[in-house]
Amino acid sequence: QAVLTQPSSLSASPGASASLACTLRSGINVGTYNIYWYQQKPGSPPQYLLRYKSDSDKQQGSGVPSRFSGSKDASANAAILLISGLQSEDEADYYCMIWHSSAWVFGGGTKLTVL
Amino acid sequence: QVQLVQSGAEVKKPGASVKVSCKASGYTFTSYDFNWVRQATGQGLEWMGWMNPNSGNTGYAQKFQGRVTMTRSTSISTAYMELSSLKSEDTAVYYCARNRANSGSFDYWGQGTLVTVSS
Repeated sequence: QAVLTQPSSLSASPGASASLACTLRSGINVGTYNIYWYQQKPGSPPQYLLRYKSDSDKQQGSGVPSRFSGSKDASANAAILLISGLQSEDEADYYCMIWHSSAWVFGGGTKLTVL
Repeated sequence: QVQLVQSGAEVKKPGASVKVSCKASGYTFTSYDFNWVRQATGQGLEWMGWMNPNSGNTGYAQKFQGRVTMTRSTSISTAYMELSSLKSEDTAVYYCARNRANSGSFDYWGQGTLVTVSS
């Protein structure tokens, strides 16, 4: 079982909100981890969005709009990237990442379509 | 402004090695670690390892242990990633990215280097 699991795709309408989940493998407690989120558009390197550990311990990437925010769902052992007020430019691949067992580990990514 | 500029595309035969460079500018080279991340066409991101350019210390993903070497030249502010015993499955875009030590905030990335492994 992968360390981080993300749905492969998600669709949402302009102006709506999108919640992108990143589920940690059983036995890895989401509460103890810093979760990092990246956005990648076709033909470009990833761009750092934010870090989220808790509401009192988080960091927004430089220049990243406040429409992008992080949270956790402890009951689902998952991290969430919430994008509000969706815009066409938000259409991209989104990756979560954690430091686990002395390595940076990426989720498989979610392709967000805004239509 | 901060820039990470990578070397150009490479075509290699199976069994060969490739060395990709990442030249940093716009900041103090030794103040940030370097990470290497690769991405096969249509696939996700895969972390390969990190290097501290001040000490030269490295840490590699288990998958690449024994095949990858990360080095640097502080005199020219350049980090290198060498991957040996290439296989067709190593065909991918390779990125360098910087971060503060112990942080997953990879705030600047190189433009990527396509490495194609083909006989």
